[in-house]
Amino acid sequence: AQTVTQSQPEMSVQEAETVTLSCTYDTSESDYYLFWYKQPPSRQMILVIRQEAYKQQNATENRFSVNFQKAAKSFSLKISDSQLGDAAMYFCAYRRSDSGGGADGLTFGKGTHLIIQP
Amino acid sequence: NAGVMQNPRHLVRRRGQEARLRCSPMKGHSHVYWYRQLPEEGLKFMVYLQKENIIDESGMPKERFSAEFPKEGPSILRIQQVVRGDSAAYFCASSTPWRGGPKTQYFGPGTRLLVL
Repeated sequence: AQTVTQSQPEMSVQEAETVTLSCTYDTSESDYYLFWYKQPPSRQMILVIRQEAYKQQNATENRFSVNFQKAAKSFSLKISDSQLGDAAMYFCAYRRSDSGGGADGLTFGKGTHLIIQP
Repeated sequence: NAGVMQNPRHLVRRRGQEARLRCSPMKGHSHVYWYRQLPEEGLKFMVYLQKENIIDESGMPKERFSAEFPKEGPSILRIQQVVRGDSAAYFCASSTPWRGGPKTQYFGPGTRLLVL
């Protein structure tokens, strides 16, 4: 079974600074997808960024980028120029590829609570 | 361009009653997923449905829980004879039916179930 581990229950960063949230996962699959979701106090789950495992290039979305290390099974999220609106729980998630068949459900980590200090 | 809709947003039930949660996927999406989030936890997959079909229910408790996605209307997650341990946030997500891509799941706002 796949597992996703987020080892940082809470992180704090000064506004305008850069912060990196870590995520590791365990899988025997070679093809899969990885996601970061954000859950602000409203509890709505919002997609931040996604990465296809077959792509070597790290995904980037504006101030958000990932460091995907497939051999190390690591998928960290970097937030540059942190803003107060970035304060939220951040969840790392894994989904196996369709080519393997089987379940499409996401496997989530337990989350990292990100605090932005003004 | 409405997103995933869930209702009710909050639901209070007494032990032994039934809870019925509804989810309407995004336009153009025919795949629906249900997740449960206990306090201070990440989301846990429950069930994956396509229209009139349950594709994967490996995360569903064996008793009291059921899900459906009829040809017409929203997907329904039904919890019979609720117990206090069912208190949680229940999220629905939807995705496109296209194979070969990430099939990104977009989430609704969730239903907070409180069992008294």
